[in-house]
Amino acid sequence: SAVISQKPSRDICQRGTSLTIQCQVDSQVTMMFWYRQQPGQSLTLIATANQGSEATYESGFVIDKFPISRPNLTFSTLTVSNMSPEDSSIYLCSVDPTGGRYEQFFGPGTRLTVL
Amino acid sequence: RKEVEQDPGPFNVPEGATVAFNCTYSNSASQSFFWYRQDCRKEPKLLMSVYSSGNEDGRFTAQLNRASQYISLLIRDSKLSDSATYLCVVKNYGQNFVFGPGTRLSVLP
Repeated sequence: SAVISQKPSRDICQRGTSLTIQCQVDSQVTMMFWYRQQPGQSLTLIATANQGSEATYESGFVIDKFPISRPNLTFSTLTVSNMSPEDSSIYLCSVDPTGGRYEQFFGPGTRLTVL
Repeated sequence: RKEVEQDPGPFNVPEGATVAFNCTYSNSASQSFFWYRQDCRKEPKLLMSVYSSGNEDGRFTAQLNRASQYISLLIRDSKLSDSATYLCVVKNYGQNFVFGPGTRLSVLP
């Protein structure tokens, strides 16, 4: 299993500003993921955070808008840049310790509201 | 067509009822299948993995039909605490987890 913490748990931000979300895991993991969950919707994968290389972004998400860092095997950050109200969402960090054979573990999420 | 589709819901059932959720997936190469549960304002958590032979965990039974690309979750003797959104999740080898849109269940007293 894995225990994941995220900071901040929630924030209210002004449009045009940026917010960096931190994700800390209690063990070393190869694969870390960032998801977005908009109100009433399911999870959408933003990107896979790779240690030592650039993140891999899914269709519809770009590095300029969602820069990601992965400095080591237990930590990652996601920045939501130049925010607009459409970015209001829950952002979830997750890890896949067994490479997809078993479950993914999720952090508690960061609830972002952009005014 | 979405890669993973689920019953739209919501399902409102009385306590003690049996309820079944359906899920279909489009990628025939999918290899791993899961049901996750997400409580309101919480992160998703694994409810159970789904095996080819079907599997049961207490009141919960999961079935997989690879030929039809169909997954089901049966909940017997529903409890108030079963109220949540149930997410069907599929993974293909070497690829990422794909989450279905979820089916919301409300168990009523």
